[in-house]
Amino acid sequence: AQSVTQPDIHITVSEGASLELRCNYSYGATPYLFWYVQSPGQGLQLLLKYFSGDTLVQGIKGFEAEFKRSQSSFNLRKPSVHWSDAAEYFCAVGAQGKFQFGAGTQVVVTP
Amino acid sequence: NAGVMQNPRHLVRRRGQEARLRCSPMKGHSHVYWYRQLPEEGLKFMVYLQKENIIDESGMPKERFSAEFPKEGPSILRIQQVVRGDSAAYFCASSPVIAGDSTDTQYFGPGTRLTVL
Repeated sequence: AQSVTQPDIHITVSEGASLELRCNYSYGATPYLFWYVQSPGQGLQLLLKYFSGDTLVQGIKGFEAEFKRSQSSFNLRKPSVHWSDAAEYFCAVGAQGKFQFGAGTQVVVTP
Repeated sequence: NAGVMQNPRHLVRRRGQEARLRCSPMKGHSHVYWYRQLPEEGLKFMVYLQKENIIDESGMPKERFSAEFPKEGPSILRIQQVVRGDSAAYFCASSPVIAGDSTDTQYFGPGTRLTVL
């Protein structure tokens, strides 16, 4: 069965500092991988996705993620965080039309 | 192109009442998915539908919950005889036609926040 683990429940980062959110997955084949962001009281917005090809994918809002098959990871990064990046971030694995979400990482941005 | 629409955005019900949540997918999308998000938890898959068909309902509770996606109109998630534990945010997502074994991106609506008193 597929599963997604986001080891960090909560991360605090200073504005302007770099950010990395971890995501590990378990799946028999190469899955389709996604990162979504959710602001308070809002739905989920797609940041980026990986289906195949280049393992470093660029997304919106300056985010990028790297797929590492050997580590079963798909970590999300941003070089310089803005206050508006404070939100909850979800990693998801998709296969055969079905998505499995991680529990989310809450990001707090301090001045 | 309008995004995924959900209504109502907020719904309050008393225990024992019925809750009906509606979802209109993005134009051109024929696949609809429902998820439930409990406080401080991630999204849990409930059901996957195409027009007039339930494809995967492995995440649906066995009782009181049902979903449909009729030929015309929005998808409906129906919860009968609601209990306090049903209080959650319910999100709908849609995707275009899935080709072969690919899994296309799911686009999410803003959610319906159900509160059961």
